[in-house]
Amino acid sequence: GQNIDQPTEMTATEGAIVQINCTYQTSGFNGLFWYQQHAGEAPTFLSYNVLDGLEEKGRFSSFLSRSKGYSYLLLKELQMKDSASYLCASVGDYKLSFGAGTTVTVRA
Amino acid sequence: KAGVTQTPRYLIKTRGQQVTLSCSPISGHRSVSWYQQTPGQGLQFLFEYFSETQRNKGNFPGRFSGRQFSNSRSEMNVSTLELGDSALYLCASSFTGQGGAEAFFGQGTRLTVV
Repeated sequence: GQNIDQPTEMTATEGAIVQINCTYQTSGFNGLFWYQQHAGEAPTFLSYNVLDGLEEKGRFSSFLSRSKGYSYLLLKELQMKDSASYLCASVGDYKLSFGAGTTVTVRA
Repeated sequence: KAGVTQTPRYLIKTRGQQVTLSCSPISGHRSVSWYQQTPGQGLQFLFEYFSETQRNKGNFPGRFSGRQFSNSRSEMNVSTLELGDSALYLCASSFTGQGGAEAFFGQGTRLTVV
């Protein structure tokens, strides 16, 4: 399997930065996804990393270290609408293996 | 470019009945995978299809089955429904199903078994 570990909850203030860490098992690993999911909605794609390094997309950035089995999602200039669950998922064996998700709460 | 389309969006069924859910992937995507999401278990992998072939299957009972058609559309079927099957069922489409590109989810089908 691809046991995925990520923190359960994080709280931050509007305008701040939050970093969500994710660790995974490296066997059979083909890439790492981050999704955002608002309550009652489907996950929406945020980022995909397959090579080591940082990928930046506007306020969101994702980092991957394949040798360490480690990734993080960085959310900058937090807005109230960023309050959601953030899912880390590794791909391998023709499936996505998900972590339990990190609930981020943004406070005014 | 149309996204991943799942139908129906909501469904209420009685215990013992069966249900069929449909997923139309993004045009050009040949991999469709299915997931069950519940509050207690999170997102759990059901199965994945590529070019009408099932390449992987999760740890679900045989009541859960699926198939894929030549146009890449996929269906999943759950027979003899149980209360515990109440969940959000999501499908994801991608080019290969094995990484190398993004995987996108449909809006899901929310199944309630009463």
